[in-house]
Amino acid sequence: SQQGEEDPQALSIQEGENATMNCSYKTSINNLQWYRQNSGRGLVHLILIRSNEREKHSGRLRVTLDTSKKSSSLLITASRAADTASYFCAPLTSGTYKYIFGTGTRLKVLA
Amino acid sequence: KAGVTQTPRYLIKTRGQQVTLSCSPISGHRSVSWYQQTPGQGLQFLFEYFSETQRNKGNFPGRFSGRQFSNSRSEMNVSTLELGDSALYLCASSLNGEKLFFGSGTQLSVL
Repeated sequence: SQQGEEDPQALSIQEGENATMNCSYKTSINNLQWYRQNSGRGLVHLILIRSNEREKHSGRLRVTLDTSKKSSSLLITASRAADTASYFCAPLTSGTYKYIFGTGTRLKVLA
Repeated sequence: KAGVTQTPRYLIKTRGQQVTLSCSPISGHRSVSWYQQTPGQGLQFLFEYFSETQRNKGNFPGRFSGRQFSNSRSEMNVSTLELGDSALYLCASSLNGEKLFFGSGTQLSVL
């Protein structure tokens, strides 16, 4: 079973709108990361949030982490057509060196 | 700095054959991990190596194996290929076990 489970599976929005994706996980973690994948290519790192952090920003990205609910969210503000991609969360289980990715959220931004 | 290089980019094999995929990490990165990506299953963790030692392993059968060389380059091998092994195989390297840098992947088709 997947450690990181993204929700929704697919999201379609208009350019300029905000996009919110959620991630739930099962175990205690050291950190949680978000990655983007374009068209079946390699994944690109977006942002890392540590277990003792609650919120982090990077440009148009805002990530929150709630360890009590074992959940995280990724907000992309003022989305652009170039943001069209699949987004994955990757929690790092405490005491391990493996990131377990989910099935991702497919975001489509319509121009 | 060169990125993570995976070779070959595409591979076509028939059932029962074996295949070896190669991954050259970013210079200085000693951790290399491998993932299998299929449309229905998302990214599945295969294994992770650090300084030639396998530190973590996913839930794949023994037909899937890997190794890491002293220069941190890594190979993964799949023996007795099955149709279900058709997937994008992604390699990622990391400097300190946190942020992952992915290659473009090897698309394996088993006929």
